[in-house]
Amino acid sequence: EAGVAQSPRYKIIEKRQSVAFWCNPISGHATLYWYQQILGQGPKLLIQFQNNGVVDDSQLPKDRFSAERLKGVDSTLKIQPAKLEDSAVYLCASSRKPTGVLAKNIQYFGAGTRLSVL
Amino acid sequence: GESVGLHLPTLSVQEGDNSIINCAYSNSASDYFIWYKQESGKGPQFIIDIRSNMDKRQGQRVTVLLNKTVKHLSLQIAATQPGDSAVYFCAENLPIRGSGNTPLVFGKGTRLSVIA
Repeated sequence: EAGVAQSPRYKIIEKRQSVAFWCNPISGHATLYWYQQILGQGPKLLIQFQNNGVVDDSQLPKDRFSAERLKGVDSTLKIQPAKLEDSAVYLCASSRKPTGVLAKNIQYFGAGTRLSVL
Repeated sequence: GESVGLHLPTLSVQEGDNSIINCAYSNSASDYFIWYKQESGKGPQFIIDIRSNMDKRQGQRVTVLLNKTVKHLSLQIAATQPGDSAVYFCAENLPIRGSGNTPLVFGKGTRLSVIA
């Protein structure tokens, strides 16, 4: 089974520029997540999709960040305009749709995109 | 830059010894917990999980202990190997809701260094 694919692996931009990240989840996984991981910290959720609908975007800075999953498969995360504090690794994860209240939510992560904003 | 990563709690163990990594979680309503391993330049990798109706679960060379009274998790790694060197995160999960999966909330990581 192929894992979560992300691209690019690295991106360097100047502040106020725009950037986009792409994620292809594990085949058949209905739930897709974008996390931000600042160096030295644990991942923090930005947005969660169930199929092509947004379930939770309460932590997404909506003035500059946007994400979409139009066909319920792959997803893009965009930052416009970028700030210095956006420098981080952006991780995409996916999990199966729960089949019951006792279902496990094992999230499988991609390798991430490391963003440096200069 | 890299100096921020050095502020992670660090555990150094001799190869072959047992490692114990601790984690405090925040929400008493969380009913599912996962330990992830993250190597440099990679995404978090699933190690082992446990439900809140259990207090211990064993895998291959790893054991997770859950103490709900004090909201504490621990990960025990037996016969630690150089390949175990990584940052380890615990994550908690609230119960499934009507719309499906709930997000994981990650704790602060611990950097494990194995001395050969």
